[in-house]
Amino acid sequence: DIQMTQSPSSLSASVGDRVTITCRASQDISTCLNWYQQKPGKAPELLIYDASTLVTGVPSRFSGSGSGTDFTFTISSLQPEDIATYFCQQYDTVPRYHFGQGTKLEIK
Amino acid sequence: QVQLVQSGAEVKKPGSSVRVSCKTSGFIFSSYAISWVRQAPGQGLEWMGRSIPVLDIANPAQKFQDRLTLTADTSTNIAYMELTSLTSQDTAMYYCARDVSCGADCYLFDIWGQGTVVIVSS
Repeated sequence: DIQMTQSPSSLSASVGDRVTITCRASQDISTCLNWYQQKPGKAPELLIYDASTLVTGVPSRFSGSGSGTDFTFTISSLQPEDIATYFCQQYDTVPRYHFGQGTKLEIK
Repeated sequence: QVQLVQSGAEVKKPGSSVRVSCKTSGFIFSSYAISWVRQAPGQGLEWMGRSIPVLDIANPAQKFQDRLTLTADTSTNIAYMELTSLTSQDTAMYYCARDVSCGADCYLFDIWGQGTVVIVSS
């Protein structure tokens, strides 16, 4: 069973800061890694899929990179509306879907 | 537009069952799988299982295999999730999500329902 380790679990940053979240898989998952944003009281929303492809309409300050076991999600310039919890998600065969533990992002 | 609309909040007694519906619109229901994901209060996301309406197939996660039933009605474009033998540990927000292939052996959830709160309390 593939394990996903997401870090940090929480993060406090200032408006305009560059923010980075990482997700590590316990084995090679190629680029099968997706990122979601969940605002308080709302359902998650897909932001990035296939490790680095931005969903249409998502601001370009969001980006993703990585392949194999190590992945990074970046907000280039943090905005107040980016306050949310972010999750990575991976698909394993059988089928099984795994989520990272989540990163709660707050404004400093 | 593409949307998933779930049924309303539920309050259940321990040992009982709950059935949540997910009404879809704006896309060809039989062309997609529907997954179910839950989130306990203050916790992360947990995948429960998926159904493939066109094949009448359900794949519950191993953790839920004994008490989870996933079905889909292609005549009404509604997916259902039924969880039995409820305990307080099942208190959570339950989401349905459209399950889409993003490559070989890779899937994502591109559209989510609004969520259904299930509270299990005596």
